[in-house]
This record gives sequence, structure tokens and C-alpha cells, in this order.
Amino acid sequence: QKEVEQDPGPLSVPEGAIVSLNCTYSNSAFQYFMWYRQYSRKGPELLMYTYSSGNKEDGRFTAQVDKSSKYISLFIRDSQPSDSATYLCAMSQLTGGGNKLTFGTGTQLKVEL
Amino acid sequence: DAGVTQSPTHLIKTRGQHVTLRCSPISGHKSVSWYQQVLGQGPQFIFQYYEKEERGRGNFPDRFSARQFPNYSSELNVNALLLGDSALYLCASSKEPNEKLFFGSGTQLSVL
Repeated sequence: QKEVEQDPGPLSVPEGAIVSLNCTYSNSAFQYFMWYRQYSRKGPELLMYTYSSGNKEDGRFTAQVDKSSKYISLFIRDSQPSDSATYLCAMSQLTGGGNKLTFGTGTQLKVEL
Repeated sequence: DAGVTQSPTHLIKTRGQHVTLRCSPISGHKSVSWYQQVLGQGPQFIFQYYEKEERGRGNFPDRFSARQFPNYSSELNVNALLLGDSALYLCASSKEPNEKLFFGSGTQLSVL
């Protein structure tokens, strides 16, 4: 079993829809949770960063963490064609050494006009 | 400010050859990490360096090595290339080892 599970999609939605992206994890030591957006042939871009259970909002994006269920979500409101990309969840645990991120496989999202 | 810069952007090598990838972190960032991303998968952690010291190593063979220089830039070296080493190699930097990671655009390595 992978430490982080993410539905690869592809997910296709109409412009203006609310998008829900999800990841589950098995390692209860994970304390930091991130969402990255990756356009084709580009590096991942950090969208959201959180370290506690609950919701965090930034513009059209809301990140939700439920540590008791080991489940995280990213919601995108009023989706736009420019949101079409692969969305990667990532998580890490606090260590004395450093910051190793464990990623999901990514969900490919297409927002259609 | 410039983001994380990586060179070259693309590289084609043959099996058995050696490759060196380079990374310059965001100004003020002291920690550099390397990740490998195979097509259709999420990035996999290879190394993290901070103040020229290795802070973490992923599950990669000894053919993979890296170093960090006094100006905080970094090199990733891969010896005896295999077909399976074909991937996007990503460099990421952070101010300190446990802070947010910001990624470069990567080096696309193709091994023929």
C-alpha cells in the first residue's frame, strides 16, 4: 500500500464548476500538508500549505485536512480553463533532519469552456 | 526575484553514460532538495542538502550522488545511466530544511 493515495483522474468539469480533489494517507506521523499545481512539462507550483486539521482558504482555493480520517481535500470554486493542470497532494513529517515530501500520483484536471 | 533555476532543461544520454544536473536556489534559500518524477507519477525524494551537508536521502542507488556548494547551488550526478533513469529531475529550495519547498521547472532526462 502506498503511503499517499490519490485518484489519477482524469477529471473533466465545465467552466464555473466546483472541483473537489482528494488524497488519503496511511502514515499518522504526517503533520504538514500541501497542494501543488503542475502544468505540462513544468515544475510543481505550491498552492496551499497547512499543518493543522480544518479549513484554509486562499482566493478560489480551500484546503481541508481531517487528520482523524487521514484525508485531505482541495476545493476549487468557479473553476477556469486556466486551472487545467495536474494537482499533486504532498505531505511531510517533522524530523530533525529535514523535509522529505511524499507525493500522491497527481490528479489530472481539465476545465472545459 | 528569480525562482529556482535548473540547467540544462533537456538532456539526451545513452545507457552507461554519466550526467550532471545543476540547480540554483531562490536567493536567500539555504536548503536544496532533488526529486525524480517519472511520467504519470508524483515526484520521488532523492536528496536534501543544507549548508553543504546531506540532510536526507531517498531510496535511490549509490549511482545517484549530489553536493551543495558554498553559494548554496547544487549538482545532482547520476552514473552508469539506465533506461529507467529517464524522468523529469526537479530541484526545490527552501529557506531552512523544514520550510516550504519551491520547485524549479526541472531537467527532462532521456536515456536511450
